[in-house]
Order: sequence, then structure tokens, then C-alpha cells
Amino acid sequence: AQTVTQSQPEMSVQEAETVTLSCTYDTSESDYYLFWYKQPPSRQMILVIRQEAYKQQNATENRFSVNFQKAAKSFSLKISDSQLGDAAMYFCAYRPPPGTYKYIFGTGTRLKVLA
Amino acid sequence: SAVISQKPSRDICQRGTSLTIQCQVDSQVTMMFWYRQQPGQSLTLIATANQGSEATYESGFVIDKFPISRPNLTFSTLTVSNMSPEDSSIYLCSVELTGGPTDTQYFGPGTRLTVL
Repeated sequence: AQTVTQSQPEMSVQEAETVTLSCTYDTSESDYYLFWYKQPPSRQMILVIRQEAYKQQNATENRFSVNFQKAAKSFSLKISDSQLGDAAMYFCAYRPPPGTYKYIFGTGTRLKVLA
Repeated sequence: SAVISQKPSRDICQRGTSLTIQCQVDSQVTMMFWYRQQPGQSLTLIATANQGSEATYESGFVIDKFPISRPNLTFSTLTVSNMSPEDSSIYLCSVELTGGPTDTQYFGPGTRLTVL
């Protein structure tokens, strides 16, 4: 069965610094999608970034980028120039290949940004 | 992306009563999902709701406790029946947008339910 593991329950970063959140997953599939979602205290889940497994190039969205290591089944999120508004729970999610629909979510990492 | 609204945003209910949560999307979608998120926890999928068919429930969730309606492609409801304090959670609806480069799930703002 597919699993998603976030080994860091909580992380802290100084404002303007860079932080990396870890995510590993387990699957026997070769075609799948990976996502990072952000959930601020207001609780709205917001898509941060997504990665297609067939793409070797790491996805980037402004200050957010991923390090996708398919062989190692690792999908870390790097936040550059951290801002106070980045403080939130971050969930890593795995989506199986097309034809199935069930997302698998990690347990989350709480990110604190220190002024 | 999709704009998803949920009503109510929060509620406090008495044990033994029922609450219906509404989810409205600004575009037609095939797949809608209902999740439960207990305090400080990750998301647990309750069921998948496709228009025109019965909802598909995950292990541990039953229709009698969590009946779902999906009358059209932009709307769904989840009812939490005969509530107990253990049902206190955030309930999230989501939709999956397909047809683009990546199938992606988008979430509503959630309903915070407290059962006394």
C-alpha cells in the first residue's frame, strides 16, 4: 500500500531564511503525482506546488521549490526567503496514477516563522 | 483552480442531533470528496461523491452515519448523524480538477464542528 511519511512534526525558520521540509513515500507505481499543501490557522488547504513523477525537472513556484528524487522516493519542499505568512501546517500528498483517485496525505509538518 | 464554499463555517451541536454541511463549487466537477480532520491530525477520507451515483465510503465510515447527497455537478452535502463528542472535527470538501497537465485536488475552507 502507498504511504507518505513526514518525519518532522515541527520546524522553525528565521524570517528571510530558507527551510526544507521532508517527505518520503512508498509506491510501486511509476506514474503518479505529488503535492505540497499549506494549511494556515484559518484551516483553508491551499495548493503550494505539484510534481508529475514522469518529469525529471523539479517544480518551482516563486519562493517554493521541490527536490524530487524518484529513485529515493523523496519529495522535499524548500521555502526560500521565508515570510511570516508562510507559518502553517504543510502536508505532503501522493496521488496514484490516473484511473484511481485516492490521495494519500502525510501527517503534516508545522512550520513556525520567527521574526 | 476552483472556488469552493462550505456552509456552515462552524457549528456547536448537541449530542444526538444531526448537522448537514453544504459544499458549493463554482464549476462543474465529476469528483467531490469529503474529509475529516481531527484536531492536530492529517486528513482522513470519508467518502467520494460522484454525481448520479451512490457515494463510495472508506473503511470505518458508513452511510447511516455520514449520508451524502450529490444532486448535481456543483453541489454536495454531508450529514453527520446522531452526533457524539467524537465527531468533533473539521470537515472538508474537495474537488478534483481534471483535463489539465495534472489532476489536482482543491479544498473548501472547512466546517469546524464541536459536539457537546
